[in-house]
Amino acid sequence: SQTIHQWPATLVQPVGSPLSLECTVEGTSNPNLYWYRQAAGRGLQLLFYSVGIGQISSEVPQNLSASRPQDRQFILSSKKLLLSDSGFYLCAWSVGLAVYNEQFFGPGTRLTVL
Amino acid sequence: AQKVTQAQTEISVVEKEDVTLDCVYETRDTTYYLFWYKQPPSGELVFLIRRNSFDEQNEISGRYSWNFQKSTSSFNFTITASQVVDSAVYFCALSEEGAGTALIFGKGTTLSVSS
Repeated sequence: SQTIHQWPATLVQPVGSPLSLECTVEGTSNPNLYWYRQAAGRGLQLLFYSVGIGQISSEVPQNLSASRPQDRQFILSSKKLLLSDSGFYLCAWSVGLAVYNEQFFGPGTRLTVL
Repeated sequence: AQKVTQAQTEISVVEKEDVTLDCVYETRDTTYYLFWYKQPPSGELVFLIRRNSFDEQNEISGRYSWNFQKSTSSFNFTITASQVVDSAVYFCALSEEGAGTALIFGKGTTLSVSS
């Protein structure tokens, strides 16, 4: 069966510090991978998606970047965190395009920037 | 423009009550897909259902049922005989065939079921 892992589960970082969140998927090959952010009281916003190694698409301009160094690994990064980067970050995967297929979500990382 | 509206921010019910969560969407495409996800307090989103725009049959899965009406652009979710474990945030989402991989979520409805 497929599983998706995210770490860390929670993170408190000062403004201006770097960020690295990791997501890995097991039990499937060549998944589509996604990073979402859920700000308090708001819905989910798609940040990045990837259809393959080294292929990253950004949905919104922001202070964050993403990378996919391996087939089942997706990393969300920032060089300098802003207060507005606080939120709940969710990684997800799907088989094929998410237009047709449901996405499966990881447990999330709660980031607080102080 | 795509848009998903979940007008109910919070709903509180007592166990065994039936509750309906509303979802209204906007799209210009004829081919699109609608989803419902559940987010329990643990934070992980759990997929509940997918419906494509050509299938208007209502669906029932245990205590859950979904009513898809294209005439009113709605995809409502009903929980029958609610239980405390149903307490969660529920998200409705939309994707369009011509929109790449974008999945547009509503802002969610927080359901609290008390015993």
